[in-house]
This record gives sequence, structure tokens and C-alpha cells, in this order.
Amino acid sequence: ETGVTQTPRHLVMGMTNKKSLKCEQHLGHNAMYWYKQSAKKPLELMFVYSLEERVENNSVPSRFSPECPNSSHLFLHLHTLQPEDSALYLCASSQEGFLNYGYTFGSGTRLTVV
Amino acid sequence: GQQVMQIPQYQHVQEGEDFTTYCNSSTTLSNIQWYKQRPGGHPVFLIQLVKSGEVKKQKRLTFQFGEAKKNSSLHITATQTTDVGTYFCAGPGNDYKLSFGAGTTVTVRA
Repeated sequence: ETGVTQTPRHLVMGMTNKKSLKCEQHLGHNAMYWYKQSAKKPLELMFVYSLEERVENNSVPSRFSPECPNSSHLFLHLHTLQPEDSALYLCASSQEGFLNYGYTFGSGTRLTVV
Repeated sequence: GQQVMQIPQYQHVQEGEDFTTYCNSSTTLSNIQWYKQRPGGHPVFLIQLVKSGEVKKQKRLTFQFGEAKKNSSLHITATQTTDVGTYFCAGPGNDYKLSFGAGTTVTVRA
């Protein structure tokens, strides 16, 4: 375990379904992130939460909706996804400060949209 | 915005040989970080370099930060099958969020 736990590990959903991805960090970090990793593409930053406040939304389609109820938990709500949304979704956490001290990533959720 | 570029994109190495992968930033970085992602895994933080010209070693891995703090390299000696994976460099942007390079994917021929 990395200290960042993501569930589920694998998810298959239809385009009309609604599902949620969950991330929990046990490291006392104050920032959490959602990244998308598609095959042969760089890591794409989707959302950033710092001290439970969303500070970044990188032009992500509205069918992705994040939620951060507290500093330890992060959700990504999914609805009416498209097949091109199939990817590995990674949650990460860090301790924000003047210098980043490294991100801790979860194991990811492998999402397949059918 | 700040961009981090890595070369090569793919590195095919004979077991036992050395290789180097490079990371270049369009702007000066306060620090550079390196991550490794094994096939089917997730990125794992390896190291952070902060000082100009800094060199750090982790067993067979040598990390270097350029004098101008705009480039970095990772050198692996005597490559082993356990070195297989994708190596990412990342640097903080103006807002201190990390910008990741596209990664160098390493395969090893036994």
C-alpha cells in the first residue's frame, strides 16, 4: 500500500451509467489530485484540491465531477462517459509548500467505457 | 506555460548495458523530481533534486540536475530486468503544481 488508496481497481461502465471513483489518503497531506493516464499519452492533470478547495480544473468535460469532502478523501463522479474516457485514473496527494516534496500516487482505477 | 520534455520516448537496452534519459524544461525549475512506473503499476516517487548541479545516486541510478536548473538526466548502469518501466521527470510550475514529462519507456533484452 502506498498510503493512497483508490477504489475500485477496475471499473467497466456503460455510457449511460453513473459511477464514482474513490480516493483516500492516510499521509496527512493537504493537497489531492486527479490525473488521467491514457495509453501512450502523458499524465493529464484533471483536478487539484488544496485544503479541500478546488484550485484547478484543467478544461475537463462536465461529465467528470470531483468532490473533496475533507482533506483525506477525494471522489470523481462519472456520468454519461464516452469510450475515449477509458483510461487509468490516478489519484495523488502531496504536502503543498514552497517546494513540492513528491507526489504519492494511488494504484489507480482502470476504467473501461463500453 | 512551463513544459517538461523527455527524450528518448523509448529506450531498448541490452541487459548489462548503461543508458541515459534526459529531461528538459522550457523554464528554470526550483526542483526536479523523478518517478518510475512499472508496467501495470502507478508512478512511484524516486527522488528530488533541488540544487544547481546536484548529483544523487540510488544504487545503479544516478540523477543529475543541470547547472542552469533547466535540465536533468537519469543514468542507469548495468541495466537489469527490474529496471523495466516508464521513467517520468516532473517540475513545479509557477503555481507549484507538477508538470510531468511524457516519460521514457524502458525495455530490457535479456
